[in-house]
Amino acid sequence: NAGVTQTPKFQVLKTGQSMTLQCAQDMNHEYMSWYRQDPGMGLRLIHYSVGAGITDQGEVPNGYNVSRSTTEDFPLRLLSAAPSQTSVYFCASRGGLAGVGELFFGEGSRLTVL
Amino acid sequence: AQSVTQLDSQVPVFEEAPVELRCNYSSSVSVYLFWYVQYPNQGLQLLLKYLSGSTLVKGINGFEAEFNKSQTSFHLRKPSVHISDTAEYFCAVTPRNYGQNFVFGPGTRLSVLP
Repeated sequence: NAGVTQTPKFQVLKTGQSMTLQCAQDMNHEYMSWYRQDPGMGLRLIHYSVGAGITDQGEVPNGYNVSRSTTEDFPLRLLSAAPSQTSVYFCASRGGLAGVGELFFGEGSRLTVL
Repeated sequence: AQSVTQLDSQVPVFEEAPVELRCNYSSSVSVYLFWYVQYPNQGLQLLLKYLSGSTLVKGINGFEAEFNKSQTSFHLRKPSVHISDTAEYFCAVTPRNYGQNFVFGPGTRLSVLP
C-alpha cells in the first residue's frame, strides 16, 4: 500500500516563483489536509478538504491555494513564493469525517525559498 | 477552539532509563487525543490514541499514555528507552463531535544517550 504520496521531496525556489506540491492517497479517504512544520511551532494547518469540490482554510492559509477535483489528489499551490514559506510541508488524510480516524501522513516536502 | 501545550521542548535521557513526555490541552468540547512520533527526515506516524474507555492506553514500541480529564493531560511514558527512540514526539487533539481538524503541540525532541 502506497498510503499518502508527496512529490517532490525537495525543492528550491526563488522569491516570486510559483509551484505546486502534489499529494495523492490511495485509501479512499474523504478528508485531506496540508500542514507546514517549522522548528518550535509544531504542525500548523494550511488548508483542508472534506471531499471532492470542498476545501477550506486552516490556521495559516495566506500565500497558498488548493483544489480538490478527485478524492485521491489534493495539490497545494504556492502562488508567489516568499522566504517565509521555507518549511517542510506534510500532506495528511484520514478516513471518516468524525474525530475517530487517525491521520496518515506523507513523508514530507522540504521547500527552500531564496 | 483547542490548544495543546508540550512543556518540554527537549528531553535528554540515558538509554534504559524511564521517560515521561508531558502534554496538556485546552478545549471547550470533548476531544480525542493522540501521540505521533517523527523519526529524522520522515513523516509522522501514530504512536497511540485515546478515544474512550480505560484511561491508560498502550501503543507501539512499548509506549503508553494516561488520560487525565481533571488535569486535561495526556502524558506519554516509557519505562526503559532505547537509542532507537530518539525522535520528535507530537501530542495532538481533535474534537469528538464537531470538527475534523487536528491541533498539534509544538513537539518534544527526545534524545536517548548511550
